[in-house]
Amino acid sequence: GAVVSQHPSRVICKSGTSVKIECRSLDFQATTMFWYRQFPKKSLMLMATSNEGSKATYEQGVEKDKFLINHASLTLSTLTVTSAHPEDSSFYICSARVGWGGNTIYFGEGSWLTVV
Amino acid sequence: DAKTTQPPSMDCAEGRAANLPCNHSTISGNEYVYWYRQIHSQGPQYIIHGLKNNETNEMASLIITEDRKSSTLILPHATLRDTAVYYCIVRVADNFNKFYFGSGTKLNVKP
Repeated sequence: GAVVSQHPSRVICKSGTSVKIECRSLDFQATTMFWYRQFPKKSLMLMATSNEGSKATYEQGVEKDKFLINHASLTLSTLTVTSAHPEDSSFYICSARVGWGGNTIYFGEGSWLTVV
Repeated sequence: DAKTTQPPSMDCAEGRAANLPCNHSTISGNEYVYWYRQIHSQGPQYIIHGLKNNETNEMASLIITEDRKSSTLILPHATLRDTAVYYCIVRVADNFNKFYFGSGTKLNVKP
């Protein structure tokens, strides 16, 4: 299957700082990428849909000023957690849809964020 | 939101077939059923998907009922490495084709 890579896989940051997580599609172009977060022993929660060259679409209840998403190219989307707090600590996972109107999405390995 | 219902957990003996059920009674005619699995602390892995016909690949088989209100994922010969949370997802049929995850089924494969 298609390969989606996230970086960093683990990050620890201080409360009040911002942290950026990158999501790259390595062997295909992804016009649409999705960002999820997952708490321990819980399911994945869709945060936002990221479209190349346009503003992200956020799910209800997700603060767009808190979670900044940029999809500047067909192979890269970034999630920036601004002014992070301990409650933002979570597993963040991106996924990418293959090509235009592709049916299947592939997931990255996930990024663990710990805010201390 | 998720349109699927799955049992929270299932056990399966190693080497036997694992049959994981999923209910999606409100599925629309143009919505696909997808299956992914997630091994602890990793991103979900794609398994298989289908619209109305049964599907098979090297990993699994997908059986969709004629009325499309339920489906079953079959792992023909489960191994210990198949222990994971299995998610059945109905892909939203809009421009974005979003995936909303339900709570999934934790499959425990036992020796």
